[in-house]
Amino acid sequence: DAGVIQSPRHEVTEMGQEVTLRCKPISGHDYLFWYRQTMMRGLELLIYFNNNVPIDDSGMPEDRFSAKMPNASFSTLKIQPSEPRDSAVYFCASSPPGLAYEQYFGPGTRLTVT
Amino acid sequence: AQKITQTQPGMFVQEKEAVTLDCTYDTSDPSYGLFWYKQPSSGEMIFLIYQGSYDQQNATEGRYSLNFQKARKSANLVISASQLGDSAMYFCAMREGDGGYNKLIFGAGTRLAVHP
Repeated sequence: DAGVIQSPRHEVTEMGQEVTLRCKPISGHDYLFWYRQTMMRGLELLIYFNNNVPIDDSGMPEDRFSAKMPNASFSTLKIQPSEPRDSAVYFCASSPPGLAYEQYFGPGTRLTVT
Repeated sequence: AQKITQTQPGMFVQEKEAVTLDCTYDTSDPSYGLFWYKQPSSGEMIFLIYQGSYDQQNATEGRYSLNFQKARKSANLVISASQLGDSAMYFCAMREGDGGYNKLIFGAGTRLAVHP
């Protein structure tokens, strides 16, 4: 079975540009999570969805960040306009429901904003 | 207050020896789950082991075991017979509640170096 798929794997963009990160969760999983990892702040949950509905977006840094999940097999995280401080690795993860189920992480997108 | 605390920024161990990575947690919820993830230098997050708050026995997965001490709110990861490939960052994480609320809270991580 394919794991969580993220694209692109690496993104380099200039400050002010729009950036869109994409994620395909594991089939059958109904939870999807977006995380950001930086040296300074570690691994932070940005937002998560259940059955395509955003449940908790309290981790989204500011209005420049938005996330959508139009269907069960696709989600996007958009940054507009991007800033150098947005440089990080962005992970998407998915899981089935339940306390005992681990989250399966994608390979991450390394974003560099110059 | 920190929900998950990993007090060891870095650890090193000799190959073939055992090592314990510390994790303490803070929750008032009686139902919770504890996870350990490994992040090698390639960057991916790899699930290692899970312990439920109601589990009577300590979880084990191959060379990984979780030393769960509920009263002390600790969930230390023990890696036996360390291998060079175990060199990585290790994250402890907690999920609270049992109503399908799946938010994981991660600790800051411990970097493990295995020396030959």
